[in-house]
Amino acid sequence: EAQVTQNPRYLITVTGKKLTVTCSQNMNHEYMSWYRQDPGLGLRQIYYSMNVEVTDKGDVPEGYKVSRKEKRNFPLILESPSPNQTSLYFCASSQRGADGYTFGSGTRLTVV
Amino acid sequence: GDSVTQMEGPVTLSEEAFLTINCTYTATGYPSLFWYVQYPGEGLQLLLKATKADDKGSNKGFEATYRKETTSFHLEKGSVQVSDSAVYFCALSGSGNTGKLIFGQGTTLQVKP
Repeated sequence: EAQVTQNPRYLITVTGKKLTVTCSQNMNHEYMSWYRQDPGLGLRQIYYSMNVEVTDKGDVPEGYKVSRKEKRNFPLILESPSPNQTSLYFCASSQRGADGYTFGSGTRLTVV
Repeated sequence: GDSVTQMEGPVTLSEEAFLTINCTYTATGYPSLFWYVQYPGEGLQLLLKATKADDKGSNKGFEATYRKETTSFHLEKGSVQVSDSAVYFCALSGSGNTGKLIFGQGTTLQVKP
């Protein structure tokens, strides 16, 4: 089944403790992207990648890192999480952005 | 910059009612337009899309037509069901080669039996 898999689905952590949210797609897609969803703010892009080793900042990149060492994987790294990064995070992939994206099921992160 | 504006919700309808959710956009160039749906506790699913002016996207009884003259992409369904209760997002593919999606704020639809 074609899908984007994110892990974990739920995570509660403490301020400053480094964490990684994994994202993997099995569709050989070129594009991958991370979004965060917050009430009243909708979905905002954090980082995106157009291919292996090609990444760039989205609208809200502060406090996040990404890497794209393999085509299928696009992990999101929070080096020192803070409470304002409490949010619902989505990973998505697409062969060509104009075709639309396939989204993962989301990761609900709480930073206390 | 590019942007998407959706009608505010929540929208509450009775089963079998007609649905319209308005979406207008501002964009340079010729973006593709999308409607995504998010059911409670789930990720976003692509509902339909249109890639050029006058294209009509359709899926599961939902339709939307890409209107360049009015910069709109309104979502319609002739007869809603309780199972259509969800949050609906209008989106466009941003300019440039970033593959970026720009989303509207989302409209919550609640359908009552």
